[in-house]
Amino acid sequence: AQKITQTQPGMFVQEKEAVTLDCTYDTSDQSYGLFWYKQPSSGEMIFLIYQGSYDEQNATEGRYSLNFQKARKSANLVISASQLGDSAMYFCAMRGSGYSGGGADGLTFGKGTHLIIQP
Amino acid sequence: KAGVTQTPRYLIKTRGQQVTLSCSPISGHRSVSWYQQTPGQGLQFLFEYFSETQRNKGNFPGRFSGRQFSNSRSEMNVSTLELGDSALYLCASSFGQPLYEQYFGPGTRLTVT
Repeated sequence: AQKITQTQPGMFVQEKEAVTLDCTYDTSDQSYGLFWYKQPSSGEMIFLIYQGSYDEQNATEGRYSLNFQKARKSANLVISASQLGDSAMYFCAMRGSGYSGGGADGLTFGKGTHLIIQP
Repeated sequence: KAGVTQTPRYLIKTRGQQVTLSCSPISGHRSVSWYQQTPGQGLQFLFEYFSETQRNKGNFPGRFSGRQFSNSRSEMNVSTLELGDSALYLCASSFGQPLYEQYFGPGTRLTVT
């Protein structure tokens, strides 16, 4: 079984500041992937960034980076130079590879963090 | 390249009725997954289809079912609707390997009265 914990229900951040969204996970899988998604008020889930459990370098995608600390089981999302359009719900998710024989279930999501960027 | 499309976008049904939702994946993607999102339970995995076969299933009652066609399009069906089935139903497509990113559609918002 997998579990994702996001401890920040809501955050207010000033425009142009960097923001870190926390995510911790628990899994018995040796091989797994960690994902971050953005969900604006429109409802669509937008894929932001992916980190594999065996990737040695932290993933980066434009203004998004994932601070992966495997020993601490954390996968925090960092958004540099925040913009008003970054206001949305942010979900951390994970999925096992299924190579352990138990099959790969779908994505397990955290409860999300509601990020509001203030001008 | 066109994204994931879902129809209809909004739906209002009455308790006891059944409903069918449709999802067309990104061209070339062979895996389609379905998720239910509610304020109380958050995002929960329903099932995944790959090459017309259900590959994984979440912890939902048998009233929830799905299928996938040879062109990778997928449908999910909910029979004997209950008030608690009111939710945003999201479809996601991917190439198929578990650790590949999934791309989501805009969702179908189902209201059961």
